[in-house]
Amino acid sequence: IAGITQAPTSQILAAGRRMTLRCTQDMRHNAMYWYRQDLGLGLRLIHYSNTAGTTGKGEVPDGYSVSRANTDDFPLTLASAVPSQTSVYFCASSDLAGEGGNEQFFGPGTRLTVL
Amino acid sequence: GQNIDQPTEMTATEGAIVQINCTYQTSGFNGLFWYQQHAGEAPTFLSYNVLDGLEEKGRFSSFLSRSKGYSYLLLKELQMKDSASYLCAVSRISSGSARQLTFGSGTQLTVLP
Repeated sequence: IAGITQAPTSQILAAGRRMTLRCTQDMRHNAMYWYRQDLGLGLRLIHYSNTAGTTGKGEVPDGYSVSRANTDDFPLTLASAVPSQTSVYFCASSDLAGEGGNEQFFGPGTRLTVL
Repeated sequence: GQNIDQPTEMTATEGAIVQINCTYQTSGFNGLFWYQQHAGEAPTFLSYNVLDGLEEKGRFSSFLSRSKGYSYLLLKELQMKDSASYLCAVSRISSGSARQLTFGSGTQLTVLP
């Protein structure tokens, strides 16, 4: 593994189903983030985590939950998917301990379609 | 709250120079990022400004004026591969020091031969 990986790459899901999007990073970054990207709206933060064991809500958290059991993994769960959750989901991580801007590194994304 | 504005689309010619502007209104400002995103791919980091002035990195430069809530990304010697969406993102420190980014909607740049 190099950087951030996400799984699945894409998924078609029936409304009402439960779905977990996986995200793993091997850079030992302490902070991780989940965004959704929709046409015309840009990237919007769903949830974030400063460090293992802590999570926080972003701009659009409703309908999503996250957990951070360890440094490397940050899964995003849709408990009961709805069509408005059709989007491209990006996971990102950053090293809060470093100096400078602590840029975020993004995974390749998961394209989710809810029917 | 936060508000970030950037043009939706721009077109330029190969070899030319293009400037992409970004204006923002935010509380707790902690820096401004520019990311590049090719279609179907993840955003990749281009530049970061936290102090006023110009940061130069090869063909790309980024400028920040905190008092005006204004930044621009300057791309010189445009190449066809520079056709992409350019995302302006404002950083603020959230509780626990995680830096939350708020992104603009992106500027789709098309470079013509």
